[in-house]
Formats: sequence, structure tokens, C-alpha cells
Amino acid sequence: KNEVEQSPQNLTAQEGEFITINCSYSVGISALHWLQQHPGGGIVSLFMLSSGKKKHGRLIATINIQEKHSSLHITASHPRDSAVYICAVRSGGNEKLTFGTGTRLTIIP
Amino acid sequence: DAMVIQNPRYQVTQFGKPVTLSCSQTLNHNVMYWYQQKSSQAPKLLFHYYDKDFNNEADTPDNFQSRRPNTSFCFLDIRSPGLGDAAMYLCATSRLSGTSGNEQFFGPGTRLTVL
Repeated sequence: KNEVEQSPQNLTAQEGEFITINCSYSVGISALHWLQQHPGGGIVSLFMLSSGKKKHGRLIATINIQEKHSSLHITASHPRDSAVYICAVRSGGNEKLTFGTGTRLTIIP
Repeated sequence: DAMVIQNPRYQVTQFGKPVTLSCSQTLNHNVMYWYQQKSSQAPKLLFHYYDKDFNNEADTPDNFQSRRPNTSFCFLDIRSPGLGDAAMYLCATSRLSGTSGNEQFFGPGTRLTVL
């Protein structure tokens, strides 16, 4: 079993829909990252969280440390949001990120 | 703008022919990472530098080497590329102190093709 699990693995939605991607982890963490990767492209860091909630434009990330769970929300989704969204966690003083399996999001116009 | 730059973006090499991938950063971060990402898989950490201290992952093949001549630059050398080494290679940086904490900033990647 992976230490970091994401759901769903694939998500297709219509433009404008509210999107939620979930991440659960089984280890104690010092921070959780949400990353975005467009097809064939590099990775962009969206958020780094250790508690609470962060918002940037149409993106919102939340984390519940007690439940070892984080969610990434996209409001008013757009076709340009189509990408793979990756959850990654960092434990203690270790610099190594443990990655989730990714969620492939497709937004249909 | 401060950023992580990788060159080249696309590299084609022949089986067994050494290749070097380059990463540079203007963020003045003290930690630099190299990841290998194969199709539809999560990135896999190969090694990282904390300043000049080299940290190799236990399962990184000897075929992969790295150099960090100064804070700004880091190189990935593949001594004898095999077909299984075809992948996207991602460079990332982070800073161990300051308000951004340990957030990793990724470059655009170099896609390596081995013929």
C-alpha cells in the first residue's frame, strides 16, 4: 500500500464544474505539497501546507492533520486546468518527497 | 524572474553514449534535486545536494552521476544510457530556511530519448 493515496485516479468534468481531488497519507508529515503537471511538461508547485487552508485564485487546498487527509478544490473549472495533480508529503527533517499516484483531470469545454 | 532552468528541454542520445543534463537556478536555494519520471509514473528521486553535500538514493544506479560545481548549477551525467533510462528528468530546488520553508520549485524537465 502506498504511503500517499489519491482519489480519484481519473476525473472528467464539464467546464465550470467544482472539482475536488483527495489525498490521504499514512505517515506523520511536516508538510504536504500539491503539484500540477501538464501533459509532457514540468511540474508546478501549487501549494505547500502544514495546516489549515490556502487559496490562490480558483484553487483551494485544505489539510486535516488529525485525519491525515488533504483536498484540492478547483472552482469554475476551465479546460486549461486539465493536467495531472500530484499530492506529495514530506516527513520530519527528511528532504525527500513521497509522491501520490496522481489524479488525471480532464475538463471538457 | 527567479526560476529553475533546465537544458536542453529535449535530448536524444544513442544507446551507451554518455549524456549530460543541465540545471541552473536563480533562487539561491541551497538544496538541489534530480528526479527521474517515467511515463504515467510519479517522479523518483535519484539524488540531492544540500550545499555541496551529495546524498544518493540507495536504489539509484551507478550509471547516474551528478556534479554541483557551485550553488547555481547542477548536472546529471548518465554514463551509458540504456533504453530503460528514457524518461523525463526533473530538477528541483528548495531552501531549508526562510518563509518558503522547504517548498520545492521544479524546472520544466528534460525529456531524454535513447535510440
